[in-house]
Amino acid sequence: DSGVTQTPKHLITATGQRVTLRCSPRSGDLSVYWYQQSLDQGLQFLIQYYNGEERAKGNILERFSAQQFPDLHSELNLSSLELGDSALYFCASSATLTNEQFFGPGTRLTVL
Amino acid sequence: AQSVTQLDSHVSVSEGTPVLLRCNYSSSYSPSLFWYVQHPNKGLQLLLKYTSAATLVKGINGFEAEFKKSETSFHLTKPSAHMSDAAEYFCVVSHANAGGTSYGKLTFGQGTILTVHP
Repeated sequence: DSGVTQTPKHLITATGQRVTLRCSPRSGDLSVYWYQQSLDQGLQFLIQYYNGEERAKGNILERFSAQQFPDLHSELNLSSLELGDSALYFCASSATLTNEQFFGPGTRLTVL
Repeated sequence: AQSVTQLDSHVSVSEGTPVLLRCNYSSSYSPSLFWYVQHPNKGLQLLLKYTSAATLVKGINGFEAEFKKSETSFHLTKPSAHMSDAAEYFCVVSHANAGGTSYGKLTFGQGTILTVHP
C-alpha cells in the first residue's frame, strides 16, 4: 500500500458525459501527478500540481482539467467523454519536486 | 528532451534463472532513472532509483540496475527469478532542467512483460 488513495476504483459512463476522479496523496506529500494508461498510448503524464499550483503539463486534452485543493487532495475532471478516453488513470504523489513518486491503485474509466 | 526505450516488449524466463530487462535512455542532462513494476490489476510500485550516486543500484525483491553513462543504459537484473516476479516492468526517466534539477515529470518506457515459467 503506497498511501495514495484514489476514488472511485471503477467508473462506467457514456460518451458526452463528465466525470471527476479524486486523489488523496500520502500524508505530507505536496506534489500530485496525474497519468493516463491506455493500451495504445502506454503510460502518459497528464499534469502536475505542487502545493496547490500547477507546475507542469503533459499531453492533457483541453476537455480535461485538474486542481489541487488546500488540503492537498486533487481532482481530475474529464468532460465531453469519448470512447478513446477509456483508460486507467493513476495519481501519484511525492514529498517534493525531486523525490520519487508513489502511485495510487488507479481509477479504471470505461466510456460506452 | 528525455526519453526511454525498453528493448524487449516480452521476456520469458524459467523460475530460478537470471532476469535481464533492458532499457536505454536519452537525456539532455544528468537523468534520474527509475524502475517501476505493475502487477496485474494493481498500481505501480517503485523497484529502485538512480539519482547520480552509486552507479549500481539495489532495489527491492532482489532486483538491481546499473547505470552506464557511456552506453546510456539502465538495465534491470535479478540473479534468480521467482514466480511472483511475473509482472510488467517500466523504465522511467525524470525530467530535469538545465541545472540538472529534476522537476518531477516522468516519462515511461513502453513496458516489458516478464513471464516466469515453473
